[in-house]
Amino acid sequence: KQEVTQIPAALSVPEGENLVLNCSFTDSAIYNLQWFRQDPGKGLTSLLLIQSSQREQTSGRLNASLDKSSGRSTLYIAASQPGDSATYLCAVITWEYGNKLVFGAGTILRVKS
Amino acid sequence: EAQVTQNPRYLITVTGKKLTVTCSQNMNHEYMSWYRQDPGLGLRQIYYSMNVEVTDKGDVPEGYKVSRKEKRNFPLILESPSPNQTSLYFCASSRPGQMETQYFGPGTRLLVL
Repeated sequence: KQEVTQIPAALSVPEGENLVLNCSFTDSAIYNLQWFRQDPGKGLTSLLLIQSSQREQTSGRLNASLDKSSGRSTLYIAASQPGDSATYLCAVITWEYGNKLVFGAGTILRVKS
Repeated sequence: EAQVTQNPRYLITVTGKKLTVTCSQNMNHEYMSWYRQDPGLGLRQIYYSMNVEVTDKGDVPEGYKVSRKEKRNFPLILESPSPNQTSLYFCASSRPGQMETQYFGPGTRLLVL
């Protein structure tokens, strides 16, 4: 059974700091890994999708890496801003489960101005 | 604008009173699914649909029904809601295939008294 873990559960940083969020998964037979952002009262916004054959994806100040063999992904946020404050969720799609996303519990990020 | 919409966004009801949460997408996606999000349990899949008239159970289908009569719509039906179905519900859609980004609706917060 695929399990996804995110560390840390919560993180508070001053504005401008670079930071790393971690995601690990137990079954390396994944199709892809997706990072989402969740704001209170709002839905999930897809940030980056990394396919199993890729090592990383970049979008603006965000960079996500994937090491499938070790079951790890990181989301790097450069020059953090207060507007980055949100919950960040990592999710994987595994061969065994079709299109189902298996989510981690999330990291609550607070960027202080 | 490409989007997944859900209605209602907030709902308070009583035990046993049938309700339907609607989900609609305008991206011509074949795949649609429902998730519920609970503190400490994260997001879990309730039902999914690979295409019109094709639906299947996810991880937590008990107490829920779905239908897929049209490609764009995927309603979630609670025939006899109970307090343990109090949760935040998300609808998602994507193109077929495990390599595709999944798009989420804004969520429906349900309270069953």
